[in-house]
Amino acid sequence: KQEVTQIPAALSVPEGENLVLNCSFTDSAIYNLQWFRQDPGKGLTSLLLIQSSQREQTSGRLNASLDKSSGRSTLYIAASQPGDSATYLCAAFPSNDYKLSFGAGTTVTVRA
Amino acid sequence: NAGVTQTPKFRVLKTGQSMTLLCAQDMNHEYMYWYRQDPGMGLRLIHYSVGEGTTAKGEVPDGYNVSRLKKQNFLLGLESAAPSQTSVYFCASSIRTGNNEQFFGPGTRLTVL
Repeated sequence: KQEVTQIPAALSVPEGENLVLNCSFTDSAIYNLQWFRQDPGKGLTSLLLIQSSQREQTSGRLNASLDKSSGRSTLYIAASQPGDSATYLCAAFPSNDYKLSFGAGTTVTVRA
Repeated sequence: NAGVTQTPKFRVLKTGQSMTLLCAQDMNHEYMYWYRQDPGMGLRLIHYSVGEGTTAKGEVPDGYNVSRLKKQNFLLGLESAAPSQTSVYFCASSIRTGNNEQFFGPGTRLTVL
């Protein structure tokens, strides 16, 4: 069974600092890995999706990398802003099943 | 496009009552999912469907039933609600081919007294 872990559970940084969020997974047989953002009381918003054949994806200040051999993905957020405060979840979609496996998330606070 | 929508947004039930949560998507996606999210437990899959007329059990299916009579709709039913089913319920959908990106609805906050 795929296990997805996100460490740390919470992170607080001053505005302007770069954020590094970690996601690890136990089964490298993944079809893709997706990063989501969740604001309090809201649904999940897709940020980036990395296919298993890709090494990274970029969107604006966000960059996500994938290393299947080591079972890791990292989300980088450059020059953080207070508006980046949210919970970030990663999820692995398996190559041989239909069910996404989620990490518990990292709650980020960016201090002004 | 509205994307994935969920009805209702909030609901309070008494123990033993029944209700149905509706999920609708207008993206012609084949796959649809129901999750529940609880503090400290993360997102857990309840049931899912890989196409019209098909459903399958997820990680925590007990106490729930689902139906997918139309491709765009996925219904989650609680036959006899229990306080343990107090949670936030999310629906998601994805296309079968391509990158299989999952899109989520805004959620339904359910309280069972």
